Amino acid sequence: GENVEQHPSTLSVQEGDSAVIKCTYSDSASNYFPWYKQELGKRPQLIIDIRSNVGEKKDQRIAVTLNKTAKHFSLHITETQPEDSAVYFCAATTGNQFYFGTGTSLTVIP
Amino acid sequence: NAGVTQTPKFRILKIGQSMTLQCTQDMNHNYMYWYRQDPGMGLKLIYYSVGAGITDKGEVPNGYNVSRSTTEDFPLRLELAAPSQTSVYFCASSLPRSSGRNIQYFGAGTRLSVL
Repeated sequence: GENVEQHPSTLSVQEGDSAVIKCTYSDSASNYFPWYKQELGKRPQLIIDIRSNVGEKKDQRIAVTLNKTAKHFSLHITETQPEDSAVYFCAATTGNQFYFGTGTSLTVIP
Repeated sequence: NAGVTQTPKFRILKIGQSMTLQCTQDMNHNYMYWYRQDPGMGLKLIYYSVGAGITDKGEVPNGYNVSRSTTEDFPLRLELAAPSQTSVYFCASSLPRSSGRNIQYFGAGTRLSVL
């Protein structure tokens, strides 16, 4: 099956700085890559996603890039704010089963 | 529109007991999933279903059973609960991949402790 690795496991940034989280996947057939934000004690919520026919996607301060050749994708958060503090998960799927990374705990220091 | 609803929110079981975690969705999604999330870890797929009457094993199905008699409901059954099943369980639903909109929507989770 698919194997998704996520780095770093923890990340601390100053408010206003950028944060980057990277994921790699093993199955070249994976074609959909969502990113989820999970606040403490809450459910995962989709923040951005990208499909394999696109190299980059932006939504305000959040962007995702995909390199199919290298089989990696990254989440970029610019101008970080304290409310961005949470655990972020990447995932990959070929269609039915979703495989998740182990998560990155992001702390934004005011 | 409630989305994905899970019950109960919390439960403590004794070793060897059984229970059913309930999940229902009102978005008419074909696909439904059960995940477990252990502390500091990502989500692991237990079982999934692509429609009523069809279920398939995920990464960690041992010790669990599911059924899908309706589009709306996807209960997860734990038989002979073990401490290793202490976890937070999330149910999710989505449209099929073929729709191009296979975004997963998650329930609020069930926190289960087996003592």
